Amino acid sequence: SQTIHQWPATLVQPVGSPLSLECTVEGTSNPNLYWYRQAAGRGLQLLFYSVGIGQISSEVPQNLSASRPQDRQFILSSKKLLLSDSGFYLCAWSGRAAIYFGEGSWLTVV
Amino acid sequence: AQKVTQAQTEISVVEKEDVTLDCVYETRDTTYYLFWYKQPPSGELVFLIRRNSFDEQNEISGRYSWNFQKSTSSFNFTITASQVVDSAVYFCALILTGANNLFFGTGTRLTVIP
Repeated sequence: SQTIHQWPATLVQPVGSPLSLECTVEGTSNPNLYWYRQAAGRGLQLLFYSVGIGQISSEVPQNLSASRPQDRQFILSSKKLLLSDSGFYLCAWSGRAAIYFGEGSWLTVV
Repeated sequence: AQKVTQAQTEISVVEKEDVTLDCVYETRDTTYYLFWYKQPPSGELVFLIRRNSFDEQNEISGRYSWNFQKSTSSFNFTITASQVVDSAVYFCALILTGANNLFFGTGTRLTVIP
């Protein structure tokens, strides 16, 4: 069966520091991969998606970037975090029936 | 443009009551999929159901049921005999066929009181 994992689960970072969130999918090949952000009390916003290695599409211009160095690995990064980057970040992959989400990463920028 | 509206921000019910969560969507496309997800306090989004735009048949899964009506652009979710474990935020979402962006509503927080 397919599984998706992302880490770290929680982190507190100072403004201006870098960020790296990682996500891996097991049990499938060449999945579509996604990064979503959920701000407090709001719905989910698509940040990036990828249909293959090295192929990244950005939905929202911002302080973040994404990379897909391997087929089942998706990384969300920032060189300098802003306070507004705080939120809950979710990685996801697209299966036949639905889009399936990881456990999420809580980011607090202080 | 696509839009999903969940007008109920928060709902509280007493255990064993039935509760319906409303979802209204907007799209000019004729082919799309609708979803419901559950987000418990742990934060993970749990997939509940997918319905495609050509299938208006209602579905029942245990205590859960879904009513899809294209005429009113609604995809409502009913929990029968609610339980405390049903307490969570529920999201309705829409994706166009062949697209990559899942449009989410803002969610409905359901609290089931024991």
